[in-house]
Amino acid sequence: EPEVTQTPSHQVTQMGQEVILRCVPISNHLYFYWYRQILGQKVEFLVSFYNNEISEKSEIFDDQFSVERPDGSNFTLKIRSTKLEDSAMYFCASRRNRDISYEQYFGPGTRLTVT
Amino acid sequence: AQSVSQHNHHVILSEAASLELGCNYSYGGTVNLFWYVQYPGQHLQLLLKYFSGDPLVKGIKGFEAEFIKSKFSFNLRKPSVQWSDTAEYFCAVTFYGNNRLAFGKGNQVVVIP
Repeated sequence: EPEVTQTPSHQVTQMGQEVILRCVPISNHLYFYWYRQILGQKVEFLVSFYNNEISEKSEIFDDQFSVERPDGSNFTLKIRSTKLEDSAMYFCASRRNRDISYEQYFGPGTRLTVT
Repeated sequence: AQSVSQHNHHVILSEAASLELGCNYSYGGTVNLFWYVQYPGQHLQLLLKYFSGDPLVKGIKGFEAEFIKSKFSFNLRKPSVQWSDTAEYFCAVTFYGNNRLAFGKGNQVVVIP
């Protein structure tokens, strides 16, 4: 069964550094998402991406964050200058199309630790 | 504000016991409702979903959930749990006009053999 994959599984970085988290969505999916979960808190929506542009973003997704689909398979989340409070598990998800009756498939997550 | 709440974040029960996890949301409009499960070391996967029609939905692994619109609730149930049901369970909602999922805080369920 096709799966969403994410790399790396764990990333440690120093405050102020740039990080790029990578995701490979399911190949025939068109809608892509990033969520994050700070330890002990809810899973929070960051951004959705469709047709090579952001379709929706949350208030968390400020100018420090960006997303890109650099080729036909990868979907990346960049944090330009990491802060301690960016430490979280970051989940990528994909959905087959715009129809919300289709489920979102989640990747295993990348644990980001900012020191 | 639109929100999703789950209570009893840690649940411990014995095999063959019945499980019910509560999920409530705050929003007066149209919603779509989901339960996701995360087994240890694995990714989030869909248990079941409700969009319309019969408010009692059946999902995988013997789980079911009932949408009660008047109570803004979508509780998850399983009549007889197994050790393999040990996992974290998340209720999630999409509110009308959005395709983002809003999650509850999750229920950590431990089933003792």
